[in-house]
Amino acid sequence: EAGVAQSPRYKIIEKRQSVAFWCNPISGHATLYWYQQILGQGPKLLIQFQNNGVVDDSQLPKDRFSAERLKGVDSTLKIQPAKLEDSAVYLCASSTPGTGRNIQYFGAGTRLSVL
Amino acid sequence: GIQVEQSPPDLILQEGANSTLRCNFSDSVNNLQWFHQNPWGQLINLFYIPSGTKQNGRLSATTVATERYSLLYISSSQTTDSGVYFCAVEAGTGRRALTFGSGTRLQVQP
Repeated sequence: EAGVAQSPRYKIIEKRQSVAFWCNPISGHATLYWYQQILGQGPKLLIQFQNNGVVDDSQLPKDRFSAERLKGVDSTLKIQPAKLEDSAVYLCASSTPGTGRNIQYFGAGTRLSVL
Repeated sequence: GIQVEQSPPDLILQEGANSTLRCNFSDSVNNLQWFHQNPWGQLINLFYIPSGTKQNGRLSATTVATERYSLLYISSSQTTDSGVYFCAVEAGTGRRALTFGSGTRLQVQP
């Protein structure tokens, strides 16, 4: 079974530029999450999708971050314009809570450096 | 929201030693997962353990939900066990996202 795929693995941009990350979840997983992990900390949720609907985006800085999950499969996370403090690893995860065991599986992440 | 505390924050072991990592959480949980984040940043699932005890090779975990803590045991540690170990919980509020602790950074020396 293929895991959660993310791209790109690394991205370096200058502040005020825009950037986009892509995630393809495990096949059949209805729930998709984007987490932000700042160096030295645990991941923190940015947004959660159930199929193509947003379940929780309370921690998403909506003035600069946006995310979508078209057709309930792939998802993109965008930052525009980027700030220095956005330097972090962006992790995508997916799960299938319908089984009663909401086990989340993570992709390898995209490491963003904002200069 | 729910609080997750992990201890110790840092741990240095000699190869072959055993260790116990602790995770305390502030409220009831539907889900608790232990992860190992390897030096390349990949989060690897170790255990899904909202309650009870599980074992997988040299690793085992115990969650006592009524007392709001979980323990991860690593026996006969190897250098490949190095990395950061995270405990993450899904609060019993219906919000399915995970809340992570700050992690335990483990370094196993040869």
